[in-house]
Amino acid sequence: QVQLVESGGGVVQPGRSLRLSCAASGFTFSSYGMHWVRQAPGKGLEWVAVIWHDGNNKYYADSVKGRFTISRDNSKNTLYLQMNSLSVEDTAVYYCASAYCSGGSCYLGNWGQGTPVTVSS
Amino acid sequence: DVQMTQSPSSVSASVGDRVTITCRTSQDISSWLAWYQQKPGKAPKLLIYTASDLQSGVPSRFSGSGSGTHFTLTISSLQPEDFATYFCQQASSFPWTFGQGTKVEIK
Repeated sequence: QVQLVESGGGVVQPGRSLRLSCAASGFTFSSYGMHWVRQAPGKGLEWVAVIWHDGNNKYYADSVKGRFTISRDNSKNTLYLQMNSLSVEDTAVYYCASAYCSGGSCYLGNWGQGTPVTVSS
Repeated sequence: DVQMTQSPSSVSASVGDRVTITCRTSQDISSWLAWYQQKPGKAPKLLIYTASDLQSGVPSRFSGSGSGTHFTLTISSLQPEDFATYFCQQASSFPWTFGQGTKVEIK
């Protein structure tokens, strides 16, 4: 079965960097677009970034553009999120999700359990 | 960016009730809309995609409708396991955006 396992979260000071990983199994990782979505404590969902199956296209939320970089290693079935210049507003649980595509568009089909990131001095 | 307005923000209902949640978008997104269910401490789960298609394994009491800028999620007969928060999400253009969420609570 599809499994997505995030890691790399933790407590970090403002201005510092963190890299999240998402290990995928149970499906052909290299065939699927992948996303990061975050949820601040007690708040709603915020889409963060997407990367195409082959890594050739990437899109970001305005709130993270220029600071976060999404990447993937299809040989390792792993998705990454490099987060630089972190601020307290980046405090959230970060989820990776695989794309489920049907009828001409794609959605967030399978989700990991999330990894918490706390930005605090 | 496409703005999402979801209502109500919360609803109190009893088992067996019919519940309807509305999502409006700031621009025409055709049918490129999904609904997710999230229970406390858990990841969201895809319920409906392309506005009205039921994801595999999702009970038929869930249904979605709408197109353009107005969408609804209906739970025809609320079950105990349906008490959760529901989010709409547009997949028409990046950046993808979510509604604010609707918490379905026990009356």
